[in-house]
Amino acid sequence: EAQVTQNPRYLITVTGKKLTVTCSQNMNHEYMSWYRQDPGLGLRQIYYSMNVEVTDKGDVPEGYKVSRKEKRNFPLILESPSPNQTSLYFCASSFGYAGANVLTFGAGSRLTVL
Amino acid sequence: AQTVTQSQPEMSVQEAETVTLSCTYDTSESDYYLFWYKQPPSRQMILVIRQEAYKQQNATENRFSVNFQKAAKSFSLKISDSQLGDAAMYFCAYRSGGGSNYKLTFGKGTLLTVNP
Repeated sequence: EAQVTQNPRYLITVTGKKLTVTCSQNMNHEYMSWYRQDPGLGLRQIYYSMNVEVTDKGDVPEGYKVSRKEKRNFPLILESPSPNQTSLYFCASSFGYAGANVLTFGAGSRLTVL
Repeated sequence: AQTVTQSQPEMSVQEAETVTLSCTYDTSESDYYLFWYKQPPSRQMILVIRQEAYKQQNATENRFSVNFQKAAKSFSLKISDSQLGDAAMYFCAYRSGGGSNYKLTFGKGTLLTVNP
């Protein structure tokens, strides 16, 4: 089944404890992106990648890192999580990066930072 | 920068009736795409419908249709014969046809309740 897989789905952690949210897609998509969803704010882009080793900042990149060493994987790294990073996170991918390409979303990862 | 505005934080509809969700956007581009996504309580983001800006014809998908008014920069979603399973958060989104990021820009969402 074609899908975007995120792990973990749920995580409670403490301030400053480094964590990684993994994202993997099995559709050979070039474009991958991370979003965070907060009540009343909709979804906002954190980082995106247009291909292997090509990544760039989105609208809210502070406190996050990403890497794209393989085409299928695009992990989101929180080096020193803070409570304001408590959010619902989505990874998404599309075959190409032109606007016509529909983004496929993962199931979301609910992160709580205490 | 492009912006997407959903002016209705919440809407409700009776089962079997029709409801329209509003969305406006701001852009200076001529090549772009508009989307409606549904997010049920499972939190999964599900594509409902897509509209290409260069197409004048409004997109339809079964009970879902849009009213795309390019000059007014309006992109509303009409749900006909509403069903209980339509209850969800609905997001309007914009994606550039060119540029350097190709991100989806989302509105803040409209929470739709369907009453039996």
